[in-house]
This record gives sequence, structure tokens and C-alpha cells, in this order.
Amino acid sequence: DQQVKQNSPSLSVQEGRISILNCDYTNSMFDYFLWYKKYPAEGPTFLISISSIKDKNEDGRFTVFLNKSAKHLSLHIVPSQPGDSAVYFCAASGGGANSKLTFGKGITLSVRP
Amino acid sequence: DTGVSQNPRHKITKRGQNVTFRCDPISEHNRLYWYRQTLGQGPEFLTYFQNEAQLEKSRLLSDRFSAERPKGSFSTLEIQRTEQGDSAMYLCASSLETGRDEQYFGPGTRLTVT
Repeated sequence: DQQVKQNSPSLSVQEGRISILNCDYTNSMFDYFLWYKKYPAEGPTFLISISSIKDKNEDGRFTVFLNKSAKHLSLHIVPSQPGDSAVYFCAASGGGANSKLTFGKGITLSVRP
Repeated sequence: DTGVSQNPRHKITKRGQNVTFRCDPISEHNRLYWYRQTLGQGPEFLTYFQNEAQLEKSRLLSDRFSAERPKGSFSTLEIQRTEQGDSAMYLCASSLETGRDEQYFGPGTRLTVT
């Protein structure tokens, strides 16, 4: 049973446009949500996170939105750049001692020049 | 800050052999995690340590898997009697106990069991 779902396996956008990556979760005990970026042959790199008490967190070109009632979060990248092309993973944790991350399957983002 | 390091980066072994991987976390991080990733999937949690104490183990972690973190510094993950199904990327991550679960990953060890 997948508790974190990334239903779209891939997304292609034009350079300069907005990329919107979506993620849904089923476990209402999740307290903290994170996005990671992964290039081939490298480990995941932390991008941005959001606590369940917030609905938005912004860091430069990256913004994460959380809708707790819908159990949905999204990552917005504006403007998208070719270097953003990678696999993006959504992850969630229960916080505190329950700090292990539960990941989605990932979405492959391609940014066309 | 050198980040999380893992050795070896690649390991090819024959079925039935034992393998051991090492992870060196970011020096001030007291939490250390092991995950496994197979093709087309996200990383799956295996186990984690807070300092030298192993606090949680996944049901994925069979009796053939053992992890240690002596003195709360580096960690080792050993797989005994490897099987072809153990072929995967083994990822290590570390974090501070801050209430924000931002984990920083190493480059991983790619295990191939033939």
C-alpha cells in the first residue's frame, strides 16, 4: 500500500515556464513533507520542505504548497531551467522519533531549451 | 563539510556471498538512516540510528541484514548470503535531531548480485 503517490511518471515543460509536480498522501499522521531531486548515479538532494502546520513554503525558484484537507502537495518551479531536468521525489515523515522518510515513486522532469 | 560518503560505490558479488557497506555521515549529525532503492521506485526505509542506538528496523530488513553504528559515528550495513533480489542501490542519509526531518543523502552503493 503506497502511502505517498506521485501519479504522473513524467513531465515535460519549456524553459522559462512553470513546472508543477504533484504528490498525494494517504497517511494523516504525516507531519513533515519534503521534495528531493535526483540525478542519475547520485543520491537524492534535498530541495525544500514544509511542516504540516503551514500551507506554503518558498525558497528562490521553488515553492511547495500543502493542502492538508485534500492530502495533496505540489512543487512549483518558476522559471524552469534545463538544469532542473532530473527525477523529483516527494517524501513524508511522521516527525519526532518517527523520522523515517516514506517516498513516492518519483517523477521525471524534462525542461526543453 | 564533506557531506555523506559511502563506500564502495559499486559492488558485484556472487549469490551466497556476504557484503558489507560503509557510510560516513555529516560529522555533527546524530541520526543515520539506510534506504534501498530499486529501479523505478523511490527509496525504501531499512533502518535508522540515533547516535549508536538502532531505533527502528523495517520489515523489509530480513535476518540476513544487519547494521551497526559503533560509537555513533560511521555505520556499516552487512548482507549475508546475498540473493539476486538484493540487487539495488543502498543509500545512506544523515540528519540532525531538530524536529525537521531534512535528511542528507550520500551517493549510494550499487549492489549487483550475479
